[in-house]
Amino acid sequence: GAVVSQHPSRVICKSGTSVKIECRSLDFQATTMFWYRQFPKQSLMLMATSNEGSKATYEQGVEKDKFLINHASLTLSTLTVTSAHPEDSSFYICSARALRKEERHYGYTFGSGTRLTVV
Amino acid sequence: GQNIDQPTEMTATEGAIVQINCTYQTSGFNGLFWYQQHAGEAPTFLSYNVLDGLEEKGRFSSFLSRSKGYSYLLLKELQMKDSASYLCAVRALGGYQKVTFGTGTKLQVIP
Repeated sequence: GAVVSQHPSRVICKSGTSVKIECRSLDFQATTMFWYRQFPKQSLMLMATSNEGSKATYEQGVEKDKFLINHASLTLSTLTVTSAHPEDSSFYICSARALRKEERHYGYTFGSGTRLTVV
Repeated sequence: GQNIDQPTEMTATEGAIVQINCTYQTSGFNGLFWYQQHAGEAPTFLSYNVLDGLEEKGRFSSFLSRSKGYSYLLLKELQMKDSASYLCAVRALGGYQKVTFGTGTKLQVIP
């Protein structure tokens, strides 16, 4: 079945540094990638939606200059948390929608998530 | 916009049946998903409904009423491993068809 590989799974960084999270669709082409953030004991909050080759669409309240999203190819999307602060510590997870209908899983395909801790 | 509501927590006994409800309000509806999420892990797909009615898949069933903006997930023959959070999510019509998640229901299965 469709697999999305997300790396790193865990990262600890110092306050003020930047962290890049990658999501790769391994056996299908992802036309759309959704990026979510999940704080402890809360549900997934959609941060932004990106389509290959175009600018990401950010949800209200999400700073686009802080959370840089690049979707340069149909198999790779990246989220960069710039100048990270402790309040950015969270679980970040991507979800991909396949380009081809026959590869499209109704539930979309989630990456395994990245636990970011900013100290 | 979208508004999705679920109970925060539920407790049920091993072997029993539990129903987790979800109500939603959306300007454009294009399907409802149920996901299971264990702590610290990614959500896993359980079911998808776009038409009214019941979808059954093994021990799990999901029901949808579009006119009422209502869905439920039914879990039968509960097992301890079913202890997890259950997320209701709604897909928007048009555009990028983004999926918005509800608050999630944390289910605890007790012996």
